[in-house]
Amino acid sequence: GEDVEQSLFLSVREGDSSVINCTYTDSSSTYLYWYKQEPGAGLQLLTYIFSNMDMKQDQRLTVLLNKKDKHLSLRIADTQTGDSAIYFCAEREENSASKIIFGSGTRLSIRP
Amino acid sequence: DSGVTQTPKHLITATGQRVTLRCSPRSGDLSVYWYQQSLDQGLQFLIHYYNGEERAKGNILERFSAQQFPDLHSELNLSSLELGDSALYFCASSVGPSGVDTQYFGPGTRLTVL
Repeated sequence: GEDVEQSLFLSVREGDSSVINCTYTDSSSTYLYWYKQEPGAGLQLLTYIFSNMDMKQDQRLTVLLNKKDKHLSLRIADTQTGDSAIYFCAEREENSASKIIFGSGTRLSIRP
Repeated sequence: DSGVTQTPKHLITATGQRVTLRCSPRSGDLSVYWYQQSLDQGLQFLIHYYNGEERAKGNILERFSAQQFPDLHSELNLSSLELGDSALYFCASSVGPSGVDTQYFGPGTRLTVL
């Protein structure tokens, strides 16, 4: 079945770049998403990428997709304390109108 | 603020009880999705409604049901509650019925079953 995997924790120094990695199993995934969840809050869509793209950049965020290896990454440049959150990778199948499969989330903590 | 509202924010109830969670989608969105987030199961898709009709079902228990009303708000009904139903329940909305559209999430309802 479908599966999305992420490491559970990442700690970076303030001002450094953060790279959060994700692997997925479904080769028919069409859309891949990154969501941010701050403590006590809902999910916030950060960015998404279509499976026919390799890279997408949006201000401090860069998404890289390696479709061959089914590997997705989110790079946050100049990481700030406000970036502390849980980051979820998610995929949507091509033939599924609804079903998004989420990873377990990566908790990003920032060191001063 | 995503534009999706959910009420109540917190709900505490006892085992065996029934509760109703409410969601109002973003203005103009016709699709509503429900998700459950728990520590052991992670985020799971429950059900999707589009313009009042059920479109897809995920890992939704038979004790749970949902509906979308003509004004497009949606309710998730949870009955015969068990301790394991304690979780954050998210609603999301999108414009259309298909995978083309991005889902925007509400702040969630935290359900605690004692």
